[in-house]
Amino acid sequence: EAGVAQSPRYKIIEKRQSVAFWCNPISGHATLYWYQQILGQGPKLLIQFQNNGVVDDSQLPKDRFSAERLKGVDSTLKIQPAKLEDSAVYLCASSSPGVAWYGYTFGSGTRLTVV
Amino acid sequence: KQEVTQIPAALSVPEGENLVLNCSFTDSAIYNLQWFRQDPGKGLTSLLLIQSSQREQTSGRLNASLDKSSGRSTLYIAASQPGDSATYLCAVRGPQGNDYKLSFGAGTTVTVRA
Repeated sequence: EAGVAQSPRYKIIEKRQSVAFWCNPISGHATLYWYQQILGQGPKLLIQFQNNGVVDDSQLPKDRFSAERLKGVDSTLKIQPAKLEDSAVYLCASSSPGVAWYGYTFGSGTRLTVV
Repeated sequence: KQEVTQIPAALSVPEGENLVLNCSFTDSAIYNLQWFRQDPGKGLTSLLLIQSSQREQTSGRLNASLDKSSGRSTLYIAASQPGDSATYLCAVRGPQGNDYKLSFGAGTTVTVRA
């Protein structure tokens, strides 16, 4: 089966600019997650979708971050305006909802550097 | 709230030595535990998934054990190779509200010296 696809792989932007990341989950996986991983730390959940609805966005900085999942498949995560502390790897993952014994599958991530 | 701790934070061993990576978690009400590998600046590759009812999982040179009652898991890598150099992350999946969430440790960074 195809894995979780993410793009771009790398992005360098100046602070106050905006940036968008794209994710295509595994076919049939209704649950999609965006994680932020700052260097030296474990990934932190930003937002969770089930189909095209938001399940959990409690840790999403909503003043600058937004995410959508139209049609319950692909998802985009946007940062506007970016700050230096947003430099991190942004990971997308998918899993089957309601099936706790399935593992998560992660994409290759997007490495964002804000200068 | 689930807290996941990985010790040590970094490990350097000569090639051929066995690796032992530890993971502990505070809430034993988990559904499964997953070990991931991460190369610098890259995404996560799943290595082993252990269900809460299982005691261990094996894949090639990798073996992971789970003691749910004591909140511990150990990842063993036999006969380490320079290609095993990476960060290894432990994550537990447990109930949070009406869903099952993944909680990560900060990882153990492994260097295998040739």
